[in-house]
Amino acid sequence: NAGVTQTPKFQVLKTGQSMTLQCAQDMNHNSMYWYRQDPGMGLRLIYYSASEGTTDKGEVPNGYNVSRLNKREFSLRLESAAPSQTSVYFCASSGPGPGEGEKLFFGSGTQLSVL
Amino acid sequence: GENVEQHPSTLSVQEGDSAVIKCTYSDSASNYFPWYKQELGKRPQLIIDIRSNVGEKKDQRIAVTLNKTAKHFSLHITETQPEDSAVYFCAASIRNAGNMLTFGGGTRLMVKP
Repeated sequence: NAGVTQTPKFQVLKTGQSMTLQCAQDMNHNSMYWYRQDPGMGLRLIYYSASEGTTDKGEVPNGYNVSRLNKREFSLRLESAAPSQTSVYFCASSGPGPGEGEKLFFGSGTQLSVL
Repeated sequence: GENVEQHPSTLSVQEGDSAVIKCTYSDSASNYFPWYKQELGKRPQLIIDIRSNVGEKKDQRIAVTLNKTAKHFSLHITETQPEDSAVYFCAASIRNAGNMLTFGGGTRLMVKP
């Protein structure tokens, strides 16, 4: 049981470049999330997917797109990276049973620098 | 939307002392309040949570209290140990409303041996 796996761990981009962050979970969870973590600002929700086939915007969705490829996989795409997107990105999942829906299981994070 | 404020942003205590971290939330409909611990370079992990029908919950050296009227909740760590050093995040959400957690800004706890 690997839990939540995200790749890559580190990435450096130039302004305007694009990239996709990959995330997969093997816990049969229904819900998946993408957060960004910036100093002093906690974790802010970018997008989430409550179930396969659905996605919704979170608090800071501008500049990002997501795809819920199947129940296991949820990817985050930066179409044209900007320095303001320099951050640590965490994928997370939750569910499916009663009382378990709120507990988030996080991936190990991706440190992204946009120059 | 929900807004969660967390204080202090940094906290330094001597080993064996207690540590208290406080959070306030804005949306009175919020009913689920977890706390996550993030060690340096690691992923956040849930350490304790409380629901709005409970005023206090304990798990060994950690406890969380909730005051719904004042819309604030606190994390209490007793007999702190060096391994408690980490960043702690509080969060709030409206259960069954998309599980959208809103996090506080985090508290860096340093326990000095």
